[in-house]
Amino acid sequence: QVQLVQSGPEVKKPGASVKVSCKASGYTFTGYYIHWVRQAPGQGLEWMGWITPNNGATNYAQNFQGRVTMTRDTSISTVYMELSSLRYDDTAVYFCARGGTSHAVEYWGQGTLVTVSS
Amino acid sequence: QSALTQPRSVSASPGQSVTISCTGTSSDVGGYNYVSWYQQYPGKGPKFMIYDVSKRPSGVPDRFSGSKSGNTASLTISGLQGEDEADYYCCSYAGSLTYVFGTGTKVTVL
Repeated sequence: QVQLVQSGPEVKKPGASVKVSCKASGYTFTGYYIHWVRQAPGQGLEWMGWITPNNGATNYAQNFQGRVTMTRDTSISTVYMELSSLRYDDTAVYFCARGGTSHAVEYWGQGTLVTVSS
Repeated sequence: QSALTQPRSVSASPGQSVTISCTGTSSDVGGYNYVSWYQQYPGKGPKFMIYDVSKRPSGVPDRFSGSKSGNTASLTISGLQGEDEADYYCCSYAGSLTYVFGTGTKVTVL
């Protein structure tokens, strides 16, 4: 079955960077986009961008341009999301999620809590 | 890209129906038939419920249905059950391979 397993919680200081991993299994890794979506405490979902593991192409939401970098390592079926210049309002649960059926997101990781605190 | 607008909350008794609206613009909801809906329980990841406005993935009960008119998409839950109490989010393709989520709606079963 399709599984996306994310790395554990992180606590970072303002101005630092965080890198979250997402290991995929149960399907052909290079066949599907991986999206990143975040959810601040008590808030809604926010789309951050996607990466296609096939060739590493990316597309980032305008709100994150210049601060987010998505990469992949096909040898271990893992994608990464790095967010830099962290601010207090970047505190959120970050989800990776697999595209598939049309323009929808079918499978979600368990989420990674990133806390930005001094 | 602004978030799509959803009502903050809706409620109904078991067996009744609720409809959640999702309002965008002609650049997202109105411009494409690529609206999807997600259900989220507290502390959990979202679950994929509807895609392409009105299509249900396998395993999703037919009590859930989607539609769209102009710049507004809707999710209707018929025959409401206690397990349907959750947050619901719409998401639309917004062109140039970008996407935008709705603000989210809490469904309460009275």
